[in-house]
Amino acid sequence: AQSVTQPDIHITVSEGASLELRCNYSYGATPYLFWYVQSPGQGLQLLLKYFSGDTLVQGIKGFEAEFKRSQSSFNLRKPSVHWSDAAEYFCAVRNYGGSQGNLIFGKGTKLSVKP
Amino acid sequence: DAGITQSPRHKVTETGTPVTLRCHQTENHRYMYWYRQDPGHGLRLIHYSYGVKDTDKGEVSDGYSVSRSKTEDFLLTLESATSSQTSVYFCAISDGTGYTEAFFGQGTRLTVV
Repeated sequence: AQSVTQPDIHITVSEGASLELRCNYSYGATPYLFWYVQSPGQGLQLLLKYFSGDTLVQGIKGFEAEFKRSQSSFNLRKPSVHWSDAAEYFCAVRNYGGSQGNLIFGKGTKLSVKP
Repeated sequence: DAGITQSPRHKVTETGTPVTLRCHQTENHRYMYWYRQDPGHGLRLIHYSYGVKDTDKGEVSDGYSVSRSKTEDFLLTLESATSSQTSVYFCAISDGTGYTEAFFGQGTRLTVV
């Protein structure tokens, strides 16, 4: 079965510092991968997605992610974090079992930003 | 933003009572999903629909039922609410192809007392 692992439950970074959130997936073929962000009390907003091609994908709000097949990873990065980036971040992979077409989510990483 | 409306946004109900949550979309997407979000668990799929009157179970379907009589509406029913069903419920939609993401509603916070 497919799965997604986000090893870090909570990360704190200083404003202006760089950020990397880790995501590992299990799937034999090329996965379709996503990063979503959730602000408190809000729904999930798509940051970026990877389907094929260039392994470095750019998203909204200055985020990027790099797909590394050899490491089964899809880590999210941002060169300089802003206080408004404090939120919870979810990595997800598309489920190819059956006809569901749903996304399978990691458990999330909560990002806190220090002034 | 994708046109997804969840109602109600907040609800407090008593154990043993039936509860229905509604998801309404204006995107004409084929697939609709109900997830629940709990601390430490991320989002888990409850039920999904791949067309009118076509529904199936997800990972955590026990105690829940769904119905989809129109493309735009997907209802989630808790037949007899329990405290373990206290959660935040999200509806999501997708056109069902492999190249598109899912779009999420704003969520319904349900508390069962």
